[in-house]
Amino acid sequence: AQSVAQPEDQVNVAEGNPLTVKCTYSVSGNPYLFWYVQYPNRGLQFLLKYITGDNLVKGSYGFEAEFNKSQTSFHLKKPSALVSDSALYFCAVRANTGGFKTIFGAGTRLFVKA
Amino acid sequence: DGGITQSPKYLFRKEGQNVTLSCEQNLNHDAMYWYRQDPGQGLRLIYYSQIVNDFQKGDIAEGYSVSREKKESFPLTVTSAQKNPTAFYLCASSAGTSIHEQYFGPGTRLTVT
Repeated sequence: AQSVAQPEDQVNVAEGNPLTVKCTYSVSGNPYLFWYVQYPNRGLQFLLKYITGDNLVKGSYGFEAEFNKSQTSFHLKKPSALVSDSALYFCAVRANTGGFKTIFGAGTRLFVKA
Repeated sequence: DGGITQSPKYLFRKEGQNVTLSCEQNLNHDAMYWYRQDPGQGLRLIYYSQIVNDFQKGDIAEGYSVSREKKESFPLTVTSAQKNPTAFYLCASSAGTSIHEQYFGPGTRLTVT
């Protein structure tokens, strides 16, 4: 069965410091991995995805994520955090064996302090 | 929030009443989805549709119904059989199957008292 774990409910970081939001997954076959961000009372916005190829994926707003197959992880990173990055972040996985079902993690709330 | 609209933004109903949430997209996407979001639980899939006139149950379909008569529209009805309907409901669409990201609407917050 597919699953996604975001081990931290909340991440706190100071503005200007690097940030990491962790994600691990379990899926049969090769994974398709996604990161989304949600601002209060809004829908989710797509940030980036890993389908195949280079393990380092770059996305919107300066975010990037590294796919690590041996550790089954897909951590979201940013070199320098902004206060405006404060939001709820979701990792999601879909198996490449077909089908539309995407499994979302429970979300990690990021607080960036000025 | 892309080209997906959900209405209304806030909805209040009395227990025992059915209610329909609207979702419309102008992205020409084949696939559409309904999720329920509760605090601390991420998103749970209610129903999804890969093509017009076809839809599949997700993980928590009990007490919900959908239709897909047009490519642009995927309304969700929350019936009186849904035991705990108060939640934030999100509609999404995607261009195709596995590799495509989803585009989300702004959500409808349903409160049932």
